Amino acid sequence: AQKVTQAQTEISVVEKEDVTLDCVYETRDTTYYLFWYKQPPSGELVFLIRRNSFDEQNEISGRYSWNFQKSTSSFNFTITASQVVDSAVYFCALSEAYGQNFVFGPGTRLSVLP
Amino acid sequence: NAGVTQTPKFRVLKTGQSMTLLCAQDMNHEYMYWYRQDPGMGLRLIHYSVGEGTTAKGEVPDGYNVSRLKKQNFLLGLESAAPSQTSVYFCASSRLETESQTNEQFFGPGTRLTVL
Repeated sequence: AQKVTQAQTEISVVEKEDVTLDCVYETRDTTYYLFWYKQPPSGELVFLIRRNSFDEQNEISGRYSWNFQKSTSSFNFTITASQVVDSAVYFCALSEAYGQNFVFGPGTRLSVLP
Repeated sequence: NAGVTQTPKFRVLKTGQSMTLLCAQDMNHEYMYWYRQDPGMGLRLIHYSVGEGTTAKGEVPDGYNVSRLKKQNFLLGLESAAPSQTSVYFCASSRLETESQTNEQFFGPGTRLTVL
């Protein structure tokens, strides 16, 4: 069975600090997809990134970066120079191929204090 | 282009009542999903559909039924509501780009359901 663990329930940082959100996953599939979503206080879910199991390249998008390591089954998310607007719940998710079976982690609530 | 819409936004039911939640997408996506979100538990997949006329069970399907008679609509039914079904329900859709690939999901705004 697939599983996603986000061990950090809540994190608080002061603005401009860097913060890393951890995601560890379990799957028996060789082809799978990993995602990060953001849920701000307004409640909508915003897509941030998708990675497939064959692409271990790290990715940077502005202040956001992602570190995918198959050897440790981890897909960690780092925010550099955090801002108050980054305050949200962040979810890591895992899916099979063919759009099947999405599994979300429990989420990490990030609070960025001014 | 409205994206993914959900009807209604809020609903209060009494135990034993039935209702249907409607999800509609105008992006011509193949895949559609229903989730429930409860505090501290993330989103849990109830049912999903990989094409018109097909549905499959997710992680927590009991007490729910779904139908996908039209590609753009995905209905979630509660036949006999229970207090344990109090939750926020999200619908999502994603496109089929190439065979086997799973793309990102686009989510609706959610439906807050309370069962008394």
